[in-house]
Amino acid sequence: DTGVSQDPRHKITKRGQNVTFRCDPISEHNRLYWYRQTLGQGPEFLTYFQNEAQLEKSRLLSDRFSAERPKGSFSTLEIQRTEQGDSAMYLCASSLEPMTGQYFGPGTRLTVT
Amino acid sequence: DQQVKQNSPSLSVQEGRISILNCDYTNSMFDYFLWYKKYPAEGPTFLISISSIKDKNEDGRFTVFLNKRAKHLSLHIVPSQPGDSAVYFCAASWSGNTPLVFGKGTRLSVIA
Repeated sequence: DTGVSQDPRHKITKRGQNVTFRCDPISEHNRLYWYRQTLGQGPEFLTYFQNEAQLEKSRLLSDRFSAERPKGSFSTLEIQRTEQGDSAMYLCASSLEPMTGQYFGPGTRLTVT
Repeated sequence: DQQVKQNSPSLSVQEGRISILNCDYTNSMFDYFLWYKKYPAEGPTFLISISSIKDKNEDGRFTVFLNKRAKHLSLHIVPSQPGDSAVYFCAASWSGNTPLVFGKGTRLSVIA
């Protein structure tokens, strides 16, 4: 399978716990994006990478959110001290060339209780 | 401030007929537009795109039209099939390789 994969697919955590999500992009894609989607809304951009360089992180929702792509392949998104408002679908996408579209993974559904 | 707007939350169409989904944008810097289809509990699936140098792009049953002057695009699905029932998102970017700005989506129901 050469699509974008995300792990885990579902995560239930208690408020205050830290969570980490992983995204494996399509192998030759050099750009990797993280989005968040809540009910009734379109995906909302969080951060993105070109290879290992994080090009934009000002849209991360708070300083509790951080992302890495250490070797320019897979990426992780961490949320520290989770809050109930963090409950959402977290989506990862990757792309190669301009004007070729971004391809999304299946998402990680986070529920904070 | 919503830069990409899908003003119809839902649309119902009979099987075999044409489905037309609309999208408006406000940022004239956008130069690349995409449509995605999304089923519940899955990630968005890329359908079709168009760059601002074109006004039409076709792929099988799907055609996207772009009217730059009106800052409007539309997705036509002909003929509509029950499997097309999903939420459709319009998205836009600038330079064709930057983070996407999405609309809120339109739920299409194709009735057999």
